[in-house]
Amino acid sequence: ETGVTQTPRHLVMGMTNKKSLKCEQHLGHNAMYWYKQSAKKPLELMFVYSLEERVENNSVPSRFSPECPNSSHLFLHLHTLQPEDSALYLCASSQGLAERYEQYFGPGTRLTVT
Amino acid sequence: LAKTTQPISMDSYEGQEVNITCSHNNIATNDYITWYQQFPSQGPRFIIQGYKTKVTNEVASLFIPADRKSSTLSLPRVSLSDTAVYYCLVKNYQLIWGAGTKLIIKP
Repeated sequence: ETGVTQTPRHLVMGMTNKKSLKCEQHLGHNAMYWYKQSAKKPLELMFVYSLEERVENNSVPSRFSPECPNSSHLFLHLHTLQPEDSALYLCASSQGLAERYEQYFGPGTRLTVT
Repeated sequence: LAKTTQPISMDSYEGQEVNITCSHNNIATNDYITWYQQFPSQGPRFIIQGYKTKVTNEVASLFIPADRKSSTLSLPRVSLSDTAVYYCLVKNYQLIWGAGTKLIIKP
């Protein structure tokens, strides 16, 4: 596997379910990100991790809970979601947080909340 | 509040050169300018990044004037597969993405 992988690619869940999204990067990067992309809206940065420490949480509701056990893996735990949480969830990684480092994105998880 | 402004959409034809301009009037000294390409239901893909003047790689060129308040992504000889959304990102510690430019290439 190369680059950034995400599983599952598609997920349908009810509002009372608990599920997790997984992201893995094979690039040796130190920073990882979760984004939400809703239809016809810009990408919204949700969380940023650097060397497994959360460095940014952009006012994301507590029903989204990130976890970064090591620099290669990032999870997004979901519980009691709302229909408006349906979106494409994208994971990205970069060599570091400095301005000059570009981000590498995974293919995303298409989440539908019913 | 997005730091960048781009046209919402553009059309062009195969074989043409396409230039997409991004306005970033409030760019800060440490900000880099990065362009990404996104196809439907995929993550954005890095195209090119620059700080000043001109940068060229195998797929695009990026022109940045001296005041750095705008930048232009130039795609030479586009093909149908270049139909995508293109994002200009002015990057410092904050990662605020704009709405992007939907580029449609016609035969």
